[in-house]
Amino acid sequence: SQKIEQNSEALNIQEGKTATLTCNYTNYSPAYLQWYRQDPGRGPVFLLLIRENEKEKRKERLKVTFDTTLKQSLFHITASQPADSATYLCLSGSARQLTFGSGTQLTVLP
Amino acid sequence: DAGVTQSPTHLIKTRGQHVTLRCSPISGHKSVSWYQQVLGQGPQFIFQYYEKEERGRGNFPDRFSARQFPNYSSELNVNALLLGDSALYLCASSLEPPGGAGNEQFFGPGTRLTVL
Repeated sequence: SQKIEQNSEALNIQEGKTATLTCNYTNYSPAYLQWYRQDPGRGPVFLLLIRENEKEKRKERLKVTFDTTLKQSLFHITASQPADSATYLCLSGSARQLTFGSGTQLTVLP
Repeated sequence: DAGVTQSPTHLIKTRGQHVTLRCSPISGHKSVSWYQQVLGQGPQFIFQYYEKEERGRGNFPDRFSARQFPNYSSELNVNALLLGDSALYLCASSLEPPGGAGNEQFFGPGTRLTVL
């Protein structure tokens, strides 16, 4: 069955540093990966999409990579701010299946 | 424009009962997906509907069913509730099915279901 794992349950970093979150998948090859942000008591909010034929995508302070050899996606937040503190979820998709990872809770310390 | 709306926001039921959760997508969105999120975990995919047809189904028992109406709103039904069904139920809408193309999903605030 499709399995997607986010390596860290929690990540603490200092303000201004780069946060790097990891998402690994096994047993399948997703057509794409998406990253979402979820704040407590709210639904996830879409951040970035990267397709299987793309290596890297950027949006403002966000960057995502997709390595089909390592079966891994990395999500980077540069110049992190306390307002970036949230749970970040990766999602892999194919035609009929959507699979979220368990999430990484990021805390940016002032 | 209004985002995705879900009702009710909170619900308390007892074991064995039945529940119906409702979702209204963003205007113009034809696809709705349902997810179950247990505290501390990522959302688990339950169903995906597009143009009133089921387009995908996650690994949930037959006690879970859903449908999409001509106005693209959707209902999720759960029969014979178990304690383990207690969770946040999220609805997401997108212009087209998110499946193969990676269309962005817009999530509602969820319905918090507690089964006693």
